[in-house]
Amino acid sequence: KAGVTQTPRYLIKTRGQQVTLSCSPISGHRSVSWYQQTPGQGLQFLFEYFSETQRNKGNFPGRFSGRQFSNSRSEMNVSTLELGDSALYLCASSPSSRGTGELFFGEGSRLTVL
Amino acid sequence: GESVGLHLPTLSVQEGDNSIINCAYSNSASDYFIWYKQESGKGPQFIIDIRSNMDKRQGQRVTVLLNKTVKHLSLQIAATQPGDSAVYFCAENTYNFNKFYFGSGTKLNVKP
Repeated sequence: KAGVTQTPRYLIKTRGQQVTLSCSPISGHRSVSWYQQTPGQGLQFLFEYFSETQRNKGNFPGRFSGRQFSNSRSEMNVSTLELGDSALYLCASSPSSRGTGELFFGEGSRLTVL
Repeated sequence: GESVGLHLPTLSVQEGDNSIINCAYSNSASDYFIWYKQESGKGPQFIIDIRSNMDKRQGQRVTVLLNKTVKHLSLQIAATQPGDSAVYFCAENTYNFNKFYFGSGTKLNVKP
């Protein structure tokens, strides 16, 4: 079974631009979560989708948004990029809808904002 | 459960020794915990989990201990190998769908 796939793996943007990251979960997993990882703040929860509905959102500004499609694939978007948005963005899928099972992580999309 | 920190503690052990990695959590309502391993350039990888109705759970070469009284979680790795070198994170959840809070991580260095 294929793992969680994230694209692109690496990207460089400049301040003010926007970016869209994509995540394909493990087949059959309907829950997709996004996390931001930085050296200073560690892994922080962004949002979680299940059956195309956002069920939880972390403490991030409205510039961070996401969506999930009917095939469970998910995208997240960051608008008006700031230097502090440079991070590794991790997507995770889960077979559990209730937070009672492990998260399967992709390898991440590393965003650098110049 | 929002116990993220700015410092990454490091644990150095000799190959073959046992390792113990600790994690303190702050939300007494957390009822599900996972340990993850993250190697350089990769996403976190599941190691072992434990529910709040248990104190101890064992896997292959790993044991997780949960002390709810002091809100402490530990990961024990037996006969540590060079391939165990990585950053280890604990994560907690309150059965709140799939919103997990991660600890700040511990870097494990295994010396041959």
